[in-house]
Amino acid sequence: AQSVTQLDSHVSVSEGTPVLLRCNYSSSYSPSLFWYVQHPNKGLQLLLKYTSAATLVKGINGFEAEFKKSETSFHLTKPSAHMSDAAEYFCVVSPNDYKLSFGAGTTVTVRA
Amino acid sequence: KAGVTQTPRYLIKTRGQQVTLSCSPISGHRSVSWYQQTPGQGLQFLFEYFSETQRNKGNFPGRFSGRQFSNSRSEMNVSTLELGDSALYLCASSVGLTSGNEQFFGPGTRLTVL
Repeated sequence: AQSVTQLDSHVSVSEGTPVLLRCNYSSSYSPSLFWYVQHPNKGLQLLLKYTSAATLVKGINGFEAEFKKSETSFHLTKPSAHMSDAAEYFCVVSPNDYKLSFGAGTTVTVRA
Repeated sequence: KAGVTQTPRYLIKTRGQQVTLSCSPISGHRSVSWYQQTPGQGLQFLFEYFSETQRNKGNFPGRFSGRQFSNSRSEMNVSTLELGDSALYLCASSVGLTSGNEQFFGPGTRLTVL
């Protein structure tokens, strides 16, 4: 079975400092991996996706993620957090069966 | 291009009733997926339709069903509602040609079962 584990349920950072959200996946073959963000009372928005083209993936709003097959990880980073980054972030795996399997989510709080 | 739309946005039902939720995908998208989001279970996959055929389904009881029409619009139905069915139901559409295609989500339908 394919799954993702988000290692932190909650991350708190100060505005202007780096953000790191950790995600490990398990899959029997090379999956597609995504990060989605959900702001309060809003739908899910795709930040970035990995589909085996390049291991370092750049997304929207300054986010990027690095795919490390040896570590089965797909961590999300941003060099400098902004207040508008406060939201819930989901690491998502999509094996070859047209469904998305979501991690439990990481809530990001940004302190002024 | 218009995004994914879901109707209604909010619903209140009582136990034992049934409910139908509707999803209109982005124009040109042939795949529609449904997800249930609850605080306890997180986001869980319900089913996915492509060209009116169900290609995959999650681990939900038979009370949860869906269908897709020739214009790619989709409906999901929940019969004999239970308190535990209270959730945000999200619909997502994609081109659907490969599993790696990006899925675009609608704003969701908030269902409350009393």
